[in-house]
Formats: sequence, C-alpha cells, structure tokens
Amino acid sequence: DADVTQTPRNRITKTGKRIMLECSQTKGHDRMYWYRQDPGLGLRLIYYSFDVKDINKGEISDGYSVSRQAQAKFSLSLESAIPNQTALYFCATSMGTGWFYFGPGTRLLVL
Amino acid sequence: KNEVEQSPQNLTAQEGEFITINCSYSVGISALHWLQQHPGGGIVSLFMLSSGKKKHGRLIATINIQEKHSSLHITASHPRDSAVYICAVGAYGTYKYIFGTGTRLKVLA
Repeated sequence: DADVTQTPRNRITKTGKRIMLECSQTKGHDRMYWYRQDPGLGLRLIYYSFDVKDINKGEISDGYSVSRQAQAKFSLSLESAIPNQTALYFCATSMGTGWFYFGPGTRLLVL
Repeated sequence: KNEVEQSPQNLTAQEGEFITINCSYSVGISALHWLQQHPGGGIVSLFMLSSGKKKHGRLIATINIQEKHSSLHITASHPRDSAVYICAVGAYGTYKYIFGTGTRLKVLA
C-alpha cells in the first residue's frame, strides 16, 4: 500500500461548491503539507502542519482551510470553489526537515 | 528573479546520453531536494543533500554551497527517465521549501 494516499484522485465541481480533499499517511511523520501545482509554476504551499495542534498558513492559503484530524490525516477544504482553484493538489509528509513523501495528487476542475 | 531557477526548462536526449540538469538558488539553505515527477503526475524524492555529492544507481546529485548551485546528472539515459525533475530548497531557519518550476526531460529510444 502507498505511504501517502489522497482522495479523491480526480474531482469536477462547480463554482461555489464546498469540497474536501483528504490525505492519509502511514509513515508516522509529524509534518504534513498541502501544495498546489499549476502549469509553469513551482509547487506552492497552501497549508502545513507540524503536529496535530500546529497548523499554519502557507503562501496561498486564501480560499482554503485545513483540518489535522490525527497525526495520520490532513484534510484540505475549499470553502467556495472558484475556477482559478483548478489545479493539481498534492499532500506531502516529512519527518522534520527530512525526505518528502508525496501523495499521488488530486486533479481538481472547478467549472 | 525566482529564488530557485532550473535550467534547461526542456531537454530532449537520445538514449544513452549523459544528462545534466542545473539548479541555482539565491537563499541560504538547510538542504536541497531533487524530485522526479512522472508523466502521470506522481512525485518521488530522489535526493536530499546539503553538501558534496550523492549517487543512486545512474543518478548523481552534486551541490556547491558557496556557488549556490546544484546539478543532477543522469548517466546512460533511458526512455524511462523521461519525467519532470524538480529542485526544491529548504530555506535556512524556516519551515519554507521553495520549488523550482522543473525541467522536462524526454529521452528518445
């Protein structure tokens, strides 16, 4: 089984809808991250969490919220989806500043 | 100017060629990562280094801290090496990782 899983893998939604992307990890890592990837741009950090009680905004957090339900689970919500949130979303984990482990990504299309 | 720049942006090579991908950065770093993004989108960590050189199979990563530059070399390239290679730096003293935009490599049989 994969170390980091994301659900759903693909999602089409309409403008204004609230959606949730989920991430689970079996690595036992303390740090979890949500990134988005857009064509021609590097990965950009949305939110990060260093443990269950520590959640921080990244560089592009507007329009997003997160929940760290357990050490292994980190969910990303789009409160009211808009078309420019169409992107590829990645969850990642690390133990401290060590290796990254990425989930397989979620392709989101907002119509 | 981006804090992390990769070159070239696109690279096409023939099978068997020696390939070099470059990464330059402008911030102090705690570590530099090389990542591989497969055509299907998945991302895999290849190397994490803060000094010197590391080797894994046909891949070699080097870093020069003084020059703020890293290279990823692929020896005896193969079509299965076709992917996007991404450089990411951990900014010293922060949580922050800064990602390059990637180098798209295509290796032709």
